Amino acid sequence: QVQLQESGPGLVKPSQTLSLTCTVSGVSISSDYNYWSWVRQPAGKGLEWLGRMYTTGSTNYNPSLKSRVTISVDTSKNQFSLRLSSVTAADTAVYYCARFIGGMRFAFDVWGQGTIVTVSS
Amino acid sequence: SSELTQDPAVSVALGQTVRITCQGDSLRSYYASWYQQKPGQAPVLVIYGKNNRPSGIPDRFSGSSSGNTGSLTITGAQAEDEADYYCNSRDSSGNHLVFGGGTKLTVL
Repeated sequence: QVQLQESGPGLVKPSQTLSLTCTVSGVSISSDYNYWSWVRQPAGKGLEWLGRMYTTGSTNYNPSLKSRVTISVDTSKNQFSLRLSSVTAADTAVYYCARFIGGMRFAFDVWGQGTIVTVSS
Repeated sequence: SSELTQDPAVSVALGQTVRITCQGDSLRSYYASWYQQKPGQAPVLVIYGKNNRPSGIPDRFSGSSSGNTGSLTITGAQAEDEADYYCNSRDSSGNHLVFGGGTKLTVL
């Protein structure tokens, strides 16, 4: 079955760039109708969609974060990545990678377990 | 604030029926998907589209939509249904995705 696994530093200094990778197994990252996405959740708060990338390379980002967020795909490794620049303490959260299925389903059907990222000096 | 509005908390007696709602202008044109999240765990998709359940989701979970409101109904709530529930759909521009603020369901 499809599985996602996040990896990356758990601690990032303020003003630096947060970088996370999601390894996909059980499906090709180039499959149709699959959008590779990132969602985050600060402690005790709700879910926030960060953005998604289609296999063609087209991207779609949360307007509130658009200038700081970049999502990219490495088809050779079946991985996709998140970069969030100029981080502050407000970016401290659990970061999830997720598969968003387009078409009739139009939903996040597979999620990684999440990885905690703390922004602190 | 989110473009999709949910009640922060709802409670239901064991075995009774509860409806969790999600309001937003985009829901007049698009369906909401629904996610269950238990403490310390990743969200799990429970309803998508008009009223579809992924494999493994009990049939006590159902979805509906009317006007600008999407609803998740749990018929015969069980203790294990106690969790946070989030809706998701497009934003009012139709170009981006957005989550509702979440509803904490307590089963009494």
